[in-house]
Amino acid sequence: EVQLLESGGGLVQPGGSLRLSCAASGFTFSSYAMSWVRQAPGKGLEWVSAISGSGGSTYYADSVKGRFTISRDNSKNTLYLQMNSLRAEDTAVYYCAKANGDYVGEGYYFDYWGQGTLVTVSS
Amino acid sequence: SYVLTQPPSVSVAPGKTARITCGGNNIGSKSVHWYQQKPGQAPVLVIYYDSDRPSGIPERFSGSNSGNTATLTISRVEAGDEADYYCQVWDSSSAHVVFGGGTKLTVL
Repeated sequence: EVQLLESGGGLVQPGGSLRLSCAASGFTFSSYAMSWVRQAPGKGLEWVSAISGSGGSTYYADSVKGRFTISRDNSKNTLYLQMNSLRAEDTAVYYCAKANGDYVGEGYYFDYWGQGTLVTVSS
Repeated sequence: SYVLTQPPSVSVAPGKTARITCGGNNIGSKSVHWYQQKPGQAPVLVIYYDSDRPSGIPERFSGSNSGNTATLTISRVEAGDEADYYCQVWDSSSAHVVFGGGTKLTVL
C-alpha cells in the first residue's frame, strides 16, 4: 500500500524558513517523480514543484522559484521542500504527491497524495 | 502561461448526470487528468489520460477531451459525489503543472 506522510509544517514568521519532509513507502521510491502541491485556506490546488525519480531534474512554479528548493533522498525514501523567505501568501496545506512515472512532462499526473501538512506564515 | 478554466459550481439532482468542463487553448492536444477532493481530505485521482479510470473509481465517472474543452461526466450522481473537482495538465511550454480553478459539485 502506497503511503505518503508529510511533516515539518508549522507557524513561521514572514521571511523565515521551514523544511517539509515526505516519507514514502509501499513503492520503489526512486522509480517515480514526485511533486509538492499546496492549497491555501478555502482556495484551489496550486502546483509548487516537481522532481524526477533520480533527482536530476527539478521544476518550480513561478511563485516560489528562487525561494523554495525541492530535493529527495532515495536511500531514505524521503522527499523534501526547503522553503526560504516565506511570505504570508505561502500559507497553505502542502501535499506531497506521487507521479505516475519516473519523468516530469506530458502525461504527468498524481496517482497518490499524502494528507498534507499546514504551513502558516504570520507574525 | 497556460490557463485552465472551470465553472465555479455545478448543481445536479441525485440520479442525474453532471458534466464539469475544463477549458484551455487547444486542450485536446494535451492529456487531461481529474481529481476529486472532499472537505478536509486530500485529492483523489478519478480520471487520467482524458478518459481512463483508476482501479476503484466507479464506471459512473468518465471523461472526454476535444478541441478547447475537456469534460468530466458523472452519471447517476449520488450524494457521496458532492466534492470539489479539479482538472490538471502539463504545460510543456512553461514546464509547469497546471490546475484548473476547481468546480464545486453540489447534489441537490
